[in-house]
Amino acid sequence: DTAVSQTPKYLVTQMGNDKSIKCEQNLGHDTMYWYKQDSKKFLKIMFSYNNKELIINETVPNRFSPKSPDKAHLNLHINSLELGDSAVYFCASSHGLAGANVLTFGAGSRLTVL
Amino acid sequence: GQNIDQPTEMTATEGAIVQINCTYQTSGFNGLFWYQQHAGEAPTFLSYNVLDGLEEKGRFSSFLSRSKGYSYLLLKELQMKDSASYLCAVMDSNYQLIWGAGTKLIIKP
Repeated sequence: DTAVSQTPKYLVTQMGNDKSIKCEQNLGHDTMYWYKQDSKKFLKIMFSYNNKELIINETVPNRFSPKSPDKAHLNLHINSLELGDSAVYFCASSHGLAGANVLTFGAGSRLTVL
Repeated sequence: GQNIDQPTEMTATEGAIVQINCTYQTSGFNGLFWYQQHAGEAPTFLSYNVLDGLEEKGRFSSFLSRSKGYSYLLLKELQMKDSASYLCAVMDSNYQLIWGAGTKLIIKP
């Protein structure tokens, strides 16, 4: 199946731990994203990665870091987890950044920090 | 600042028509998107408007007025499976997507 797949789907961990969420797309897209959806359901862009150019949302703490080994993968690493990091994290991909830029989302990874 | 407003929740009856409104104030405009998100699932693309007017796609239509900073999503012949959140998003002058909080649509038999 052509899709955006992310793992794990659920992640429960303690404050202060470091965790990673992996994302892979086989759609041939050249741009990938990480979004955070909080309890109020707002989707907030964290990062976009296009042709090795990383665009960072300046409000994202530097405890969050994306790593892209190739165009098809964009993993999210989170250091020193905090309670406020609990949310659903969505990976997405698209063709380019502009125009009718339709995003294809992964199924989401629900992170719970205790 | 940039802002997208849409109602938090709406209720409609199976078989009826519902209109979900979205107003926006953004730094520039490069298109407006509607996405559907079922509970616990990923958002999926519904429609894209960049010019004024109505875009029809089956039971769903989306309208845009750039001068008014306004869009609506029209859902006809509602089905129970249409129960979901509907997210409005605007692409600004920097090609960044600004998202609304979504409208939760509840369909009653």
